Amino acid sequence: KNEVEQSPQNLTAQEGEFITINCSYSVGISALHWLQQHPGGGIVSLFMLSSGKKKHGRLIATINIQEKHSSLHITASHPRDSAVYICAGNSGGSNYKLTFGKGTLLTVNP
Amino acid sequence: DTAVSQTPKYLVTQMGNDKSIKCEQNLGHDTMYWYKQDSKKFLKIMFSYNNKELIINETVPNRFSPKSPDKAHLNLHINSLELGDSAVYFCASSQYSSEAFFGQGTRLTVV
Repeated sequence: KNEVEQSPQNLTAQEGEFITINCSYSVGISALHWLQQHPGGGIVSLFMLSSGKKKHGRLIATINIQEKHSSLHITASHPRDSAVYICAGNSGGSNYKLTFGKGTLLTVNP
Repeated sequence: DTAVSQTPKYLVTQMGNDKSIKCEQNLGHDTMYWYKQDSKKFLKIMFSYNNKELIINETVPNRFSPKSPDKAHLNLHINSLELGDSAVYFCASSQYSSEAFFGQGTRLTVV
């Protein structure tokens, strides 16, 4: 069982819709990353958070440490948001690695 | 000015060959990583280095050997390439466990 579980695997939305992608993680992960991978492959870090909520433009990430759950929200979605969104956890300390979820393929149709 | 750059972007080679992928970061980070993304797009850690020292070697075959000549560079050398090595390899860097910055990936195809 992967330490980081994401849902849904695939998500199709109409332009303008509010999007939510969920991520659950196991004990031992102290910080959660949200990454974006466009077709063509490059990976961009969107957020890293260990508590609370972060916002950048139309993107919002939240984390609930007690429930070991994080969400990525996209408001007013746009076709250019179409990408794979990946959550990844790190254990902090001297354990220098990310453990990845399997990704959510988001398609936003015009 | 690219923060994490890896070369080449594409690499097609025959089984049994030896190849290297280079990675450089100009962010001043102490920690660098190699990740492998398989055909199902799942990413997995291969190695991490902190200040030129190997920290994590995640049960990767001995044919894979990372080399870090200095903390800005982490190269990946692969001996005796096999079909199953075909994947996209990503280099990344971070300052310890903070936000990671990724290279553009190297798509390796072994034929």
